[in-house]
Amino acid sequence: KNQVEQSPQSLIILEGKNCTLQCNYTVSPFSNLRWYKQDTGRGPVSLTIMTFSENTKSNGRYTATLDADTKQSSLHITASQLSDSASYICVVSAGGGTSYGKLTFGQGTILTVHP
Amino acid sequence: EPEVTQTPSHQVTQMGQEVILRCVPISNHLYFYWYRQILGQKVEFLVSFYNNEISEKSEIFDDQFSVERPDGSNFTLKIRSTKLEDSAMYFCASSAELAGGSLSYEQYFGPGTRLTVT
Repeated sequence: KNQVEQSPQSLIILEGKNCTLQCNYTVSPFSNLRWYKQDTGRGPVSLTIMTFSENTKSNGRYTATLDADTKQSSLHITASQLSDSASYICVVSAGGGTSYGKLTFGQGTILTVHP
Repeated sequence: EPEVTQTPSHQVTQMGQEVILRCVPISNHLYFYWYRQILGQKVEFLVSFYNNEISEKSEIFDDQFSVERPDGSNFTLKIRSTKLEDSAMYFCASSAELAGGSLSYEQYFGPGTRLTVT
């Protein structure tokens, strides 16, 4: 069964600090891995998407890494801002067959940035 | 910037009633999806839809669920006889077809409809 596990479950940091969120997955066959930001009561918003051949991708202050051999990914946030407070969700897409973009979601890491 | 919209934002219904959740995907997108998120739990895939038919569905998407694209803009999720456990946030998403006919990886999510079954 395809699974995505994230750690930590929650994280509190001070504004301006950096943090790293972790994701482990068992999805086969692997197609791509995404990180989404989800504000409370809102839909997920894509931050990065990485395919098998990519091992790092940046989007502003967000940098995602992917190790397809160990099936691990991380999301690094630099110089955190109060608006970064949200749930960060690791999502993996299986490839092949009729999986037209079927996504498997992690449970998310709830990040709280304090002033 | 184009976005996916969903109505209503919050729906309260009694157990056993039928509900229809509505979504307007981004206008040039061809792939459509429904997901749900029970409070405090992971987002779960329900169904994908392409070319006027279901492409894939999860084990959650049983006979009480159905999807339809009644016209050129709307995409609906119908729950025939709601149960208490159907209470959740329902998200619609859409994605584009790339040149050459392949599916874009990028899925754009709507703001969600919160369904409360009493």
